[in-house]
Amino acid sequence: ETGVTQSPTHLIKTRGQQVTLRCSSQSGHNTVSWYQQALGQGPQFIFQYYREEENGRGNFPPRFSGLQFPNYSSELNVNALELDDSALYLCASSLVHQAMNTEAFFGQGTRLTVV
Amino acid sequence: QKEVEQDPGPLSVPEGAIVSLNCTYSNSAFQYFMWYRQYSRKGPELLMYTYSSGNKEDGRFTAQVDKSSKYISLFIRDSQPSDSATYLCAMISNAGKSTFGDGTTLTVKP
Repeated sequence: ETGVTQSPTHLIKTRGQQVTLRCSSQSGHNTVSWYQQALGQGPQFIFQYYREEENGRGNFPPRFSGLQFPNYSSELNVNALELDDSALYLCASSLVHQAMNTEAFFGQGTRLTVV
Repeated sequence: QKEVEQDPGPLSVPEGAIVSLNCTYSNSAFQYFMWYRQYSRKGPELLMYTYSSGNKEDGRFTAQVDKSSKYISLFIRDSQPSDSATYLCAMISNAGKSTFGDGTTLTVKP
């Protein structure tokens, strides 16, 4: 186990609703990255938070937003859910000063289904 | 065209076989090359990473990078049923952005 925990593990939401996913990073890690993994595809980078500030963002619309807290845990919020948002959402924690985040540890993911 | 293309598989091999997993990429800015293993219903687990052309060994696993051809490979020797998983290649650019392949699902049959 990596020490990165995500909650909930599974979630079903209706189109148009809002959802909040949570991630507790590994002890000592100050950086959290969020990814979306659709079925049969690789993870797609959503954004990264370092010391409570957004530190890079992928090609996702503004209805995907996030927070990082002083204890370095993080939330991913998605507004106005669409059917295509159905995916596995992964968070990964790391120490940003390590080489280009190669030492990132993933949580088990939250499986979101939008109906 | 995707920046990272991974051989789609699926791949099914007998126990003990040598497995070759491959990715090509188009972005010359990629500097770090990783391989992850992802079991069903789990997050990806980092297997190996490298930043230079050549080979890197770790037990039964060998990662190979050819920057001139923009081609990376992961070799698994003496494959075991416990190696059955989806293998993802990933690359990080000099801007720190990571890009994953879509994965190859491997089944090792006893």
